[in-house]
Amino acid sequence: GAGVSQSPRYKVAKRGQDVALRCDPISGHVSLFWYQQALGQGPEFLTYFQNEAQLDKSGLPSDRFFAERPEGSVSTLKIQRTQQEDSAVYLCASSRQSSGNTIYFGEGSWLTVV
Amino acid sequence: GENVEQHPSTLSVQEGDSAVIKCTYSDSASNYFPWYKQELGKGPQLIIDIRSNVGEKKDQRIAVTLNKTAKHFSLHITETQPEDSAVYFCAAIIYNQGGKLIFGQGTELSVKP
Repeated sequence: GAGVSQSPRYKVAKRGQDVALRCDPISGHVSLFWYQQALGQGPEFLTYFQNEAQLDKSGLPSDRFFAERPEGSVSTLKIQRTQQEDSAVYLCASSRQSSGNTIYFGEGSWLTVV
Repeated sequence: GENVEQHPSTLSVQEGDSAVIKCTYSDSASNYFPWYKQELGKGPQLIIDIRSNVGEKKDQRIAVTLNKTAKHFSLHITETQPEDSAVYFCAAIIYNQGGKLIFGQGTELSVKP
């Protein structure tokens, strides 16, 4: 596709439920990133992939958060046993090379935990 | 680690006026500074960026200036239009350290017709 595609766009989860958020990066983009954006705040880094390798996961807030990109293209962010504080917009982004290139964001997946 | 401060948090201007948003960063190793515009319900959209070997960059009504010594950079929008209304984020990154953009807190710009 022409841009970074994320699904679902909106997700309401009951507390304790597991959720999976999908990201399709721009075709051919090597790098893929996940960010979390709370209401009224700037995006905060979660994790970074170069192809299928997860090179940085320092921003994942707890071991309930897990991300994968098994074939170096599509990525999934999984949140286990969701809590209310997980409510946020989860943004996926990609860039053409491993560093030094423009980072393009998707529209985000809006997660509300009730 | 890097820390980016952004001011003001809200900015209201009349259509046709100029708007300026300022950011400071803490890590002198940062060398790439993008600006993103985010409209309600949408993802951040890159509007302009600057690398540390350049002091100023302009694209039509938008310009960015960088002062490496003072570690601050600014976004300038001239001849503002109502469609410029959005939240603007500055960010900083160390070029060869992957995609860990550090964002400012955002500025909500309102352009009144």
